[in-house]
Amino acid sequence: AQKVTQAQTEISVVEKEDVTLDCVYETRDTTYYLFWYKQPPSGELVFLIRRNSFDEQNEISGRYSWNFQKSTSSFNFTITASQVVDSAVYFCALSESSNTGKLIFGQGTTLQVKP
Amino acid sequence: EPEVTQTPSHQVTQMGQEVILRCVPISNHLYFYWYRQILGQKVEFLVSFYNNEISEKSEIFDDQFSVERPDGSNFTLKIRSTKLEDSAMYFCASRQTGEETQYFGPGTRLLVL
Repeated sequence: AQKVTQAQTEISVVEKEDVTLDCVYETRDTTYYLFWYKQPPSGELVFLIRRNSFDEQNEISGRYSWNFQKSTSSFNFTITASQVVDSAVYFCALSESSNTGKLIFGQGTTLQVKP
Repeated sequence: EPEVTQTPSHQVTQMGQEVILRCVPISNHLYFYWYRQILGQKVEFLVSFYNNEISEKSEIFDDQFSVERPDGSNFTLKIRSTKLEDSAMYFCASRQTGEETQYFGPGTRLLVL
């Protein structure tokens, strides 16, 4: 069965702190895709990154970095030197190559960055 | 940059009424999806659509729901007889062939009274 778990419901940090959002997934497929989306207070879903199951390279994009570890079925997201504008709900999601591309979302982590 | 658009942004309706939510996917995308998000909860898959037919639907997508691509640009979600529990944000998404990333519209917030 496919499942995505984001155990952290809410995280609060002070600006400039680093913060890591955890994501653990379950799938029986050998080929799958992992995503992070950001949902700011305005409500839209903004795509941040996609990772393919066969590519375990970690990625850095500015202050954002992602750590994909197949051995622990985790795809964690780190924000370095957080800013108030990073305050949002962050969703981790999974899609499997064997289905229609539907996304299975985690429960989301609400990140609050205080000035 | 091309975007998925959705109308209306907000809709208030009475229980039992029919609503149609509209989406214009990105023009060269062929895979379309509807998701919903009840306030404060996670985003849930409703239905996927490809080649003018439903390719997968969730348990939520019962006989009260239908989707249609009435022309070359619009993709609609119809709820025939709305219930209080249909109140949610409804997101449309689309993706290209050979590309796994889905791009979401801004959502329609539906409130059923």
